Amino acid sequence: GAVVSQHPSRVICKSGTSVKIECRSLDFQATTMFWYRQFPKQSLMLMATSNEGSKATYEQGVEKDKFLINHASLTLSTLTVTSAHPEDSSFYICSVEPLRTGSYEQYFGPGTRLTVT
Amino acid sequence: GDSVTQMEGPVTLSEEAFLTINCTYTATGYPSLFWYVQYPGEGLQLLLKATKADDKGSNKGFEATYRKETTSFHLEKGSVQVSDSAVYFCALSEGGATNKLIFGTGTLLAVQP
Repeated sequence: GAVVSQHPSRVICKSGTSVKIECRSLDFQATTMFWYRQFPKQSLMLMATSNEGSKATYEQGVEKDKFLINHASLTLSTLTVTSAHPEDSSFYICSVEPLRTGSYEQYFGPGTRLTVT
Repeated sequence: GDSVTQMEGPVTLSEEAFLTINCTYTATGYPSLFWYVQYPGEGLQLLLKATKADDKGSNKGFEATYRKETTSFHLEKGSVQVSDSAVYFCALSEGGATNKLIFGTGTLLAVQP
């Protein structure tokens, strides 16, 4: 069964509004979660590394004030897209790196399709 | 910076055909290499991995060998099934203090009965 869930799976919002996406680790505790963005027919691009209890680490070119990340517990990270615009429409995927492993294996959520109109 | 290049799809095969999906990488250090698979409606799942040169990762009949001399990690399966239809992603991890994954663009495999 799924070890990582994302909610919602699909969301449509109007331009200028904010959208929150949740990523839950169902089977593991994780101090580290990752947020990716995937454009059609393109690879997954790492946006940020979410660290439990501390600030997220953003990749170059990703606006931290636009993509707010909160890793409030060992099983939950949220990504909030603030003041969304049509160019933010994309597929957002999270992954979890379980505490227990040292093998760098990540478990991925099913993704959230965001459409901004 | 580090990067991964994999063959574009879609790849369409008949059941029991031989599969090869090419993947090459560019890295400054000694990365770990991965193949992930994404079945329709599901999240990415680790299919196999190799952490050093000449290692062979294998799982569910799929194999890939870490070739440092050709900087490649091609995915192969001798006899594909309809259930193998999915998107396959090649990826590398720089290792060390970071667990960042760098992905290829993904290759859609469609297996017809």
